[in-house]
Amino acid sequence: TQLLEQSPQFLSIQEGENLTVYCNSSSVFSSLQWYRQEPGEGPVLLVTVVTGGEVKKLKRLTFQFGDARKDSSLHITAAQPGDTGLYLCAGASPSNSGYALNFGKGTSLLVTP
Amino acid sequence: ETGVTQTPRHLVMGMTNKKSLKCEQHLGHNAMYWYKQSAKKPLELMFVYNFKEQTENNSVPSRFSPECPNSSHLFLHLHTLQPEDSALYLCASSQEARPNYGYTFGSGTRLTVV
Repeated sequence: TQLLEQSPQFLSIQEGENLTVYCNSSSVFSSLQWYRQEPGEGPVLLVTVVTGGEVKKLKRLTFQFGDARKDSSLHITAAQPGDTGLYLCAGASPSNSGYALNFGKGTSLLVTP
Repeated sequence: ETGVTQTPRHLVMGMTNKKSLKCEQHLGHNAMYWYKQSAKKPLELMFVYNFKEQTENNSVPSRFSPECPNSSHLFLHLHTLQPEDSALYLCASSQEARPNYGYTFGSGTRLTVV
């Protein structure tokens, strides 16, 4: 299993602030995905990045894949209470079944009005 | 009905009970997964089924027994569990077991073993 370290573990900010969360590994991944999980629900896919250096934007969310495909960041501009949740990164690596996703522990984000 | 549906949402069982978790997807996906989510731990991959064939068993104890009768349904049979098996069990599916395909997760079954 290839480990993904996410930081910070917890983040509490006020509405309107900007923030960045990080996902780091010593391993190279074929692709990396970000998910958001709300309490009592399963994770929901936000984005998949594949190419080193790739940047993808989803409204106020900006995702970047590191040049070496070992790390990624998620930047949120002007955070809103609806952004509250657990942000998980997951790296795809070869496995017996072809590929499997390995998840980090997540960053728990709380945005207060 | 769309997405991935898991039943039951909550389950409390004794250590000597036998129960089953059910997962159903109507997305036409060919790969299905069981994950375990415990507090302060990353999601742990338990089993992978690709085109109905089990292709991964991630050193899961035999008290967990998966079954995939067709590409739309996945079960997790439970027997003689331990209190440390209490967790959120998540089912997911993807088009194929390939790196660029995102997973669609169900809402999970919150399992408590007493």
